[in-house]
Amino acid sequence: AQKVTQAQTEISVVEKEDVTLDCVYETRDTTYYLFWYKQPPSGELVFLIRRNSFDEQNEISGRYSWNFQKSTSSFNFTITASQVVDSAVYFCALDLYNTDKLIFGTGTRLQVFP
Amino acid sequence: SAVISQKPSRDICQRGTSLTIQCQVDSQVTMMFWYRQQPGQSLTLIATANQGSEATYESGFVIDKFPISRPNLTFSTLTVSNMSPEDSSIYLCSAEEDGGAEAFFGQGTRLTVV
Repeated sequence: AQKVTQAQTEISVVEKEDVTLDCVYETRDTTYYLFWYKQPPSGELVFLIRRNSFDEQNEISGRYSWNFQKSTSSFNFTITASQVVDSAVYFCALDLYNTDKLIFGTGTRLQVFP
Repeated sequence: SAVISQKPSRDICQRGTSLTIQCQVDSQVTMMFWYRQQPGQSLTLIATANQGSEATYESGFVIDKFPISRPNLTFSTLTVSNMSPEDSSIYLCSAEEDGGAEAFFGQGTRLTVV
């Protein structure tokens, strides 16, 4: 069965702190994609990153970085020097290559306080 | 990247009535999907909207309750039929461009059934 687990329901930090959001996935497929989305209070889903299962290189984009480890089936997301505007719900998702359907985790609500 | 427009952005409806949500993509896309996000919950796939044929529904969702149309490669509609308060959710349209790239989302339709 395919599944995405985001064990952290809610995280609160103070501005400028670093924060890591955890994502663990389950699949027997060898080809798949992993995503992170941000959902601010306005409700839209903002695409952050897509990673395929054959690319385990970590990625950095500004204050955001992602750590993909197939050995532990994890795709964690770190925000460095968090800002109030980072407050949102963050979803990790799994896309199986042969279905194109996204399986979402339950999301992590991040609150960044000034 | 594709831009997706959903209409209406929100609505309050009486129980027993139906609402049709429109999803317009600014470019031709291979795949279109409809998701439901119940209050405080994650996203659940309702169905895949197939161009020129009947939609493919996920377990727990049926065509009579959620009829879907996709007359061309840029447009789809989802109807929520015979609504009850349990249908109060955010409904999101998603599209993927050819090649399995990023899945883009519309801004969602916030539906409240009273």
